[in-house]
Amino acid sequence: NAGVTQTPKFQVLKTGQSMTLQCAQDMNHEYMSWYRQDPGMGLRLIHYSVGAGITDQGEVPNGYNVSRSTTEDFPLRLLSAAPSQTSVYFCASSLGVANTGELFFGEGSRLTVL
Amino acid sequence: AQSVAQPEDQVNVAEGNPLTVKCTYSVSGNPYLFWYVQYPNRGLQFLLKYITGDNLVKGSYGFEAEFNKSQTSFHLKKPSALVSDSALYFCAVRDTRTGGFKTIFGAGTRLFVKA
Repeated sequence: NAGVTQTPKFQVLKTGQSMTLQCAQDMNHEYMSWYRQDPGMGLRLIHYSVGAGITDQGEVPNGYNVSRSTTEDFPLRLLSAAPSQTSVYFCASSLGVANTGELFFGEGSRLTVL
Repeated sequence: AQSVAQPEDQVNVAEGNPLTVKCTYSVSGNPYLFWYVQYPNRGLQFLLKYITGDNLVKGSYGFEAEFNKSQTSFHLKKPSALVSDSALYFCAVRDTRTGGFKTIFGAGTRLFVKA
């Protein structure tokens, strides 16, 4: 049972480049989300999804796009990377939308934008 | 808006001593409260949660937390610390009144347990 899988683990981009961070879960979780982790700021919610075809914004959505075409996958797209997007990104999922369940996290993707 | 405060950036404790990591929250409705732990270069792992019922909840690795509604606190505790407990700890809150789809995290508290 793989849980939540994120790829790539490391990525270096130049300003203005685009890329997609991949996230897949094999637990049939309805809820998926993306966070960024920056020193001293904890984790901040970027976007989330409560099911296939449904997405919404979190605390810091600017500069990021998401889509949810399947239950399993929830990619995060950076259309034009900026140095302010240098961070560690975590994908997390939970079972159902009853909202009592804990989040299951991937191992993270470390992104550096030069 | 919901928020979480972890007032201590770092907590130092000797092995075998009790530990407390503090957390206070602000939400408009009834909160769902969580604690997570992060080891170096890893994702977060769930420790315990408060949804309803008994104010004292027990979780993984001997940790427990007490929900105090009047003080809006959810402090993490362990009776006897281990060196292996050294890690980064995050408190998180989910506001049920706004649908509960957003889990908001505190800034984290780094725990050092000295042998």
